[in-house]
Amino acid sequence: SYELTQSPSVSVSPGQTARITCSADALPKQYAYWYQQKPGQAPVVVIYKDSERPSGIPERFSGSSSGTTVTLTISGVQAEDEADYYCQTVHTSGTYVLFGGGTKLTVL
Amino acid sequence: EVQLVESGGGLIQPGGSLRLSCAASGFIVGNNYMSWVRQAPGKGLEWVSVIYSGGSTYYADSVKGRFTISRDNSKNTLYLQMNSLRVEETAVYYCARGLWDGMDVWGQGTTVTVSS
Repeated sequence: SYELTQSPSVSVSPGQTARITCSADALPKQYAYWYQQKPGQAPVVVIYKDSERPSGIPERFSGSSSGTTVTLTISGVQAEDEADYYCQTVHTSGTYVLFGGGTKLTVL
Repeated sequence: EVQLVESGGGLIQPGGSLRLSCAASGFIVGNNYMSWVRQAPGKGLEWVSVIYSGGSTYYADSVKGRFTISRDNSKNTLYLQMNSLRVEETAVYYCARGLWDGMDVWGQGTTVTVSS
C-alpha cells in the first residue's frame, strides 16, 4: 500500500531552522501539501503543490521536493510554530488521499 | 467570509448510524472538491472521503460500503452518512474544501463517539 512516512518529532531552539521530511514509497510521488495543526484547532495548509505558500503564511515556511521525499523547512523558528505538521498527497489515480503520520515540532 | 460549519456528531452505539452535515458559506460547495477527514483522539489525520465538483465520490478502504458522501447544492451543504459505526471510528470529523491545490478551508470539526 502507498504510505507517507514522517519522523515522529523534531526539536529546535528559537531562531534555528527546522526541517520536517516526508517520504513516499516506491510509487511516483504526486504533489505534496503540508498542514500545521495546533492543539484543539483544525489544520491549516502552510504549503501546497510541494513549494507554494498560501497567502497569509509567513515567508519562513518553505517546501521542497527531491525524488520521493518532500521537506518542509521553517527558517527562524518561533515559539508559535510549535505544532503538529502533516504531509499529504493525492494518489495519481485521484481516487484517494493520504496523510503522513505527523511530526510534532517542539520549540525548546 | 469563507467558512465551514460541521454538525451532527454525538454519542452512538456500535453498529449505529449518524449523518454529519457541513454547511458552507462564502463559496459554492458544488463547484469545489470537498473532503471529510477524521482524527481519533491523540492520533493523526485520516482521510475519509472526497466528492469531486463533477460528482464523483471516493472513499478510504476502511469506510467503503458503509459511509456515503453527498451534497445538497440548494442548501450549500456537504454530508457524510455513516452506517455500521465501529468503536475505533470515534474521532473528530472535519470537512474541508479543496484537493489539488490543498485543503484550504476547514471546519472546526464535530465529535463522533462510538461507544456502548
